[in-house]
Amino acid sequence: DAKTTQPPSMDCAEGRAANLPCNHSTISGNEYVYWYRQIHSQGPQYIIHGLKNNETNEMASLIITEDRKSSTLILPHATLRDTAVYYCIVRARGAQKLVFGQGTRLTINP
Amino acid sequence: NAGVTQTPKFRVLKTGQSMTLLCAQDMNHEYMYWYRQDPGMGLRLIHYSVGEGTTAKGEVPDGYNVSRLKKQNFLLGLESAAPSQTSVYFCASSYGLAGPLGDGELFFGEGSRLTVL
Repeated sequence: DAKTTQPPSMDCAEGRAANLPCNHSTISGNEYVYWYRQIHSQGPQYIIHGLKNNETNEMASLIITEDRKSSTLILPHATLRDTAVYYCIVRARGAQKLVFGQGTRLTINP
Repeated sequence: NAGVTQTPKFRVLKTGQSMTLLCAQDMNHEYMYWYRQDPGMGLRLIHYSVGEGTTAKGEVPDGYNVSRLKKQNFLLGLESAAPSQTSVYFCASSYGLAGPLGDGELFFGEGSRLTVL
């Protein structure tokens, strides 16, 4: 699976959009981009994933660049409960395992 | 619907003791995983299983054994615990390739905190 690079930490004001970047310059054509988050010490939670088109669900939006070498997770109206570590993972379908990196610690400030 | 349940949630062991962590899922998932997470670190994959009766090694398998005798259960064993195995252990499961979202959506348990003295 391709390696990802994320900033170790970010801050965002409550009510604003939180934009979390991820670089995956070695991504292969069959690899998806997945995002998970881990709130405090709970088990990680799936957020969203995509291949090359932008995706949106009730939690977030995922913007993938045309060359697929980077992506951005957008939380449109961040709340204090969105404070968490966010993991960007690149993985081929059927790869059988999901490998987590260090992630970005997002802090939402009141 | 319980999802993924891990037992025990907390355990303290002495060096050299053995124990088994149990993970149970009620979603009929094909794939199951065991991860460990050390303070300030991301999750590291220990072992995983893509079906009943099958297991495979992850990133950090040494010192652990696993078994998947029943589809709904995935056991993680420590035969001779060491202080380096002090960690929070997370179990996860997924539908596998046949699932509605493919095999990349993992459902995690709440974690098991293990301390080895």
